[in-house]
Amino acid sequence: QKEVEQDPGPLSVPEGAIVSLNCTYSNSAFQYFMWYRQYSRKGPELLMYTYSSGNKEDGRFTAQVDKSSKYISLFIRDSQPSDSATYLCAMSAVRGAQKLVFGQGTRLTINP
Amino acid sequence: EPEVTQTPSHQVTQMGQEVILRCVPISNHLYFYWYRQILGQKVEFLVSFYNNEISEKSEIFDDQFSVERPDGSNFTLKIRSTKLEDSAMYFCASFTQDAETQYFGPGTRLLVL
Repeated sequence: QKEVEQDPGPLSVPEGAIVSLNCTYSNSAFQYFMWYRQYSRKGPELLMYTYSSGNKEDGRFTAQVDKSSKYISLFIRDSQPSDSATYLCAMSAVRGAQKLVFGQGTRLTINP
Repeated sequence: EPEVTQTPSHQVTQMGQEVILRCVPISNHLYFYWYRQILGQKVEFLVSFYNNEISEKSEIFDDQFSVERPDGSNFTLKIRSTKLEDSAMYFCASFTQDAETQYFGPGTRLLVL
């Protein structure tokens, strides 16, 4: 079983739609969960950071973590064409200092 | 806003040649990392570096790879004798305890011919 699994997509939705992106993981030691956005041939850009289980909201973005199910989600409301990118989930057992383990990334396209 | 920078943005090299990829981490950060991403694949951890020594390395980081912090600002990744399969994007990242998590540079695209 892969340590972090993420559906690579591609996912294509119309502008204004709600987007749901998900990752599952197998390592119960993971406590820190990140979502990075990556534009084509660029570096990962931190989008959301959460610790342990719960929800976190930042503007149009909401991150959810369910540690009991080993499942994390990113929701994008009122999606915009500028949201078109690859979204990477990443996680670690120790905040920052330890290596991040990434999912495959989901390629998202928002159609005007 | 402070950011991680990397040079060069692109590098083409012949198989067997040595390459050095350079990174300038965010200035007050103390933890440094290299990751790589082969085209179409996930971002993979290579090595972490703290207090002037390697703190963790992956199976990928074999004897052909080395890292160095030659001065107070640069962090380098050296590949001694490049192979075709080293072709990838290489990302540098840095972290400090005041930050939420690691921050990534824009990457160096390495192509080995």
